[in-house]
Amino acid sequence: KNQVEQSPQSLIILEGKNCTLQCNYTVSPFSNLRWYKQDTGRGPVSLTIMTFSENTKSNGRYTATLDADTKQSSLHITASQLSDSASYICVVTSNSGYALNFGKGTSLLVTP
Amino acid sequence: GAVVSQHPSWVICKSGTSVKIECRSLDFQATTMFWYRQFPKQSLMLMATSNEGSKATYEQGVEKDKFLINHASLTLSTLTVTSAHPEDSSFYICSAPGPGVNQPQHFGDGTRLSIL
Repeated sequence: KNQVEQSPQSLIILEGKNCTLQCNYTVSPFSNLRWYKQDTGRGPVSLTIMTFSENTKSNGRYTATLDADTKQSSLHITASQLSDSASYICVVTSNSGYALNFGKGTSLLVTP
Repeated sequence: GAVVSQHPSWVICKSGTSVKIECRSLDFQATTMFWYRQFPKQSLMLMATSNEGSKATYEQGVEKDKFLINHASLTLSTLTVTSAHPEDSSFYICSAPGPGVNQPQHFGDGTRLSIL
């Protein structure tokens, strides 16, 4: 069964600090992995996309890594800002088409 | 960039009312769109796949007579919650895959449905 597990479930950090979110998956065959940011009451917005051959990809203060061998991904947020408070969702797509497998998300709260 | 517009953003109505939610791809065509339901602090749950010009494909456990989907054009899909009841209250989100290879799903901003 295709699964996407995220950790931690929730995280509280001080403004300016760094943090790393984890995503482990069992989806097969693998097509790509995306990290989305979902603000409360809004739809998810794509942050990064990782394909099988990519190890690291950055988008501003967000850096995603992918280890396709161990089926693990991480999202590192540098110098956090209050506006980073949101739910971060890991979504893994299989080669079978549009089949999206959603993680339950990590709820991040950045405090002053 | 590709944008998906969802309307309305918030609906409050009485039990027994039918509610229609629209999902539009604003600057690209989408032969396929997806409808999700999200409960508080939960992940998105795929309800159905909307296919332009043909019947929608529903996930197991989703009542197709309860959640009517119409994908009448390449830029518009609608979800109608028929005879809504309080247990239908939720956050409904649509998405459409962007044009091209490896494009992300573009999500609407969701519709908060509250049934009294």
